[in-house]
Amino acid sequence: DAGITQSPRHKVTETGTPVTLRCHQTENHRYMYWYRQDPGHGLRLIHYSYGVKDTDKGEVSDGYSVSRSKTEDFLLTLESATSSQTSVYFCAINRQGQHNEQFFGPGTRLTVL
Amino acid sequence: KNEVEQSPQNLTAQEGEFITINCSYSVGISALHWLQQHPGGGIVSLFMLSSGKKKHGRLIATINIQEKHSSLHITASHPRDSAVYICAVANFGNEKLTFGTGTRLTIIP
Repeated sequence: DAGITQSPRHKVTETGTPVTLRCHQTENHRYMYWYRQDPGHGLRLIHYSYGVKDTDKGEVSDGYSVSRSKTEDFLLTLESATSSQTSVYFCAINRQGQHNEQFFGPGTRLTVL
Repeated sequence: KNEVEQSPQNLTAQEGEFITINCSYSVGISALHWLQQHPGGGIVSLFMLSSGKKKHGRLIATINIQEKHSSLHITASHPRDSAVYICAVANFGNEKLTFGTGTRLTIIP
């Protein structure tokens, strides 16, 4: 499982509240990713990081911010949650040098009421 | 932007049948990945391939680089193979994957 954990695993929150999801890895990989998974859309990239303090936007980054102050932690923040952000969120790491083979965390199910 | 299409979107079969799931993409790639996701479960990598064919147990993955097409085959299918199978492509020059929308496979005992 490449030592990836996500917290929380489930969260229910209300519209307008801030939410932070945490991804933690134990293997010191440089690249980390946040995806959301929704029916009919597959996995879509929100943000990714290529090192401490180095991040970039993915295809669905609006309404989300990220931070990476340590190699092992990649945080995803919803500044003001909306119902459209109800989704399952997956974190992944990339074992570089192996054609972008990615390993995924267990996922976080977020419900915004 | 690479467009990745999978077919079929849904597939129901009887236990023991031979299963084929297809993936096509629009732009040349460095590698293609097949992933598996069980209901309510996490996502695991099944195969990564850049040419030819790979086999793990009852699963076989093939890729035709010229045709921009890959297939995932399952022989002697079993109910525990019921899952969503996702194709993803690694694009040259960047560290991001492009994903298909997945194929939901259901194997009936």
